[in-house]
Amino acid sequence: GDSVTQMEGPVTLSEEAFLTINCTYTATGYPSLFWYVQYPGEGLQLLLKATKADDKGSNKGFEATYRKETTSFHLEKGSVQVSDSAVYFCARGERGEGGKLIFGQGTELSVKP
Amino acid sequence: ETGVTQTPRHLVMGMTNKKSLKCEQHLGHNAMYWYKQSAKKPLELMFVYNFKEQTENNSVPSRFSPECPNSSHLFLHLHTLQPEDSALYLCASSLGGTGTHRELFFGEGSRLTVL
Repeated sequence: GDSVTQMEGPVTLSEEAFLTINCTYTATGYPSLFWYVQYPGEGLQLLLKATKADDKGSNKGFEATYRKETTSFHLEKGSVQVSDSAVYFCARGERGEGGKLIFGQGTELSVKP
Repeated sequence: ETGVTQTPRHLVMGMTNKKSLKCEQHLGHNAMYWYKQSAKKPLELMFVYNFKEQTENNSVPSRFSPECPNSSHLFLHLHTLQPEDSALYLCASSLGGTGTHRELFFGEGSRLTVL
């Protein structure tokens, strides 16, 4: 079935390091792609999204580009901060399915000062 | 209150108990969801309600029973659970309908431990 696969964590980086969290998906149609973030003790919140091929989503210094040819939506940030420590979830949604999303397993990021 | 609120935040129950999780949203949304979050596993969609009608039951065991009395409230009734049901249960809401993607707004979750 359709799925989302993320790189396993935890990922530990020093402050100001470059971040990449890989995400690949399978889908039968033309999905929209999302990154959600879960800070400690909180629920998930939308970080960024892209709705069609070659779109780039961006927010708070994070970026991800919808790559249809490689079925990927990798999350990147040029310079991470301690406050970026959280669990990051990649997700896909299909047109016509409203808010129904399929999530990856999450990647924990820990940024050290 | 704003956003999506879940109660209780923590729940410990025996396998023979009956308990309920509650979710309330103050965002004017018409769709609500239950997700299960277990360690090292993807979030699992359990149930979807659109305009109070259940539109998705993702092969969830009958020991989990959802209830959506109105668009603002969602319950998950629990009975005769198993230890493997221990997890974080997340409620979410969104605009209703089945159009293009909808942004999900999540609550902080209810941490369930089954002894």
